[in-house]
Amino acid sequence: EVQLVQSGAEVKKPGESLRISCKGSGYSFTSYWISWVRQMPGKGLEWMGRIDPSDSYTNYSPSFQGHVTISADKSISTAYLQWSSLKASDTAMYYCARRVVVVAGGAFDIWGQGTMVTVSS
Amino acid sequence: AIQMTQSPSSLSASVGDRVTITCRASQGIRNDLGWYQQKPGKAPKLLIYAASSLQSGVPSRFSGSGSGTDFTLTISSLQPEDFATYYCLQDYNYPQTFGQGTKVEIK
Repeated sequence: EVQLVQSGAEVKKPGESLRISCKGSGYSFTSYWISWVRQMPGKGLEWMGRIDPSDSYTNYSPSFQGHVTISADKSISTAYLQWSSLKASDTAMYYCARRVVVVAGGAFDIWGQGTMVTVSS
Repeated sequence: AIQMTQSPSSLSASVGDRVTITCRASQGIRNDLGWYQQKPGKAPKLLIYAASSLQSGVPSRFSGSGSGTDFTLTISSLQPEDFATYYCLQDYNYPQTFGQGTKVEIK
C-alpha cells in the first residue's frame, strides 16, 4: 500500500525547536516530490514548500521562507519539516503530500494523516 | 503569487441537489488545477486533477471543467458523504496556492 505516515502530535513552548517527519512506503520515494501544507485551527490549507527527495532541492512559499526548513533522508524514505524557534502562531495541523506528475502539472495524490503541533507557554 | 478565489465560501444543499463551486485564478494557469475534498479531522483527498480528470476511485458524480482563469467543480447529485469542505489548488507555478475553501453543508 502506498502511504505517507507522519510523526505524532507535539506540544512545545515558544522558542523551542522541533522536527516532524513524513515516511513514505509502498513506492519509490525518490520519484515523487513531497510538499508540506499547513492548516491553522478552523482555517484553510496553505502550501508551505516542497522537496525533491532525489536531490533535496527545495522551493518555499515566501510566507514560510526563513522560518521553516524542509529536508529529506532518502536512505530512510523520510521527509522532514523543522523549526528552530517556534512561535505560538505555529500552532496548526501539518500535512505532507506526495505530488504526482499528471497530464497538466501535478497533483497531491497521497497525503499523510497530519501532525498536530501545539505551541503554548 | 497567484491568488485563487473560490466561491461561494459556503453553501447549504440537500441530498440529490446539483452543486457547483467555482475557482478563479488571478492569472492564467492553463489547466494546472486540482480539486480536493476535506472532511473534519481528516486529510484532504484528491478528487480532480488537470482541471477535469477524475482521480481513480472517485465517484463519477464529481466533475471538473475550465481552463485559463476560471474553473468549476460540479457534484451532479449530492450524496450524504459529500458534505465536506472543498479546495482548489493551482500547480502552475510556485508558490502553489489554494483557494480559501467552500464548505458544503446540509440544508
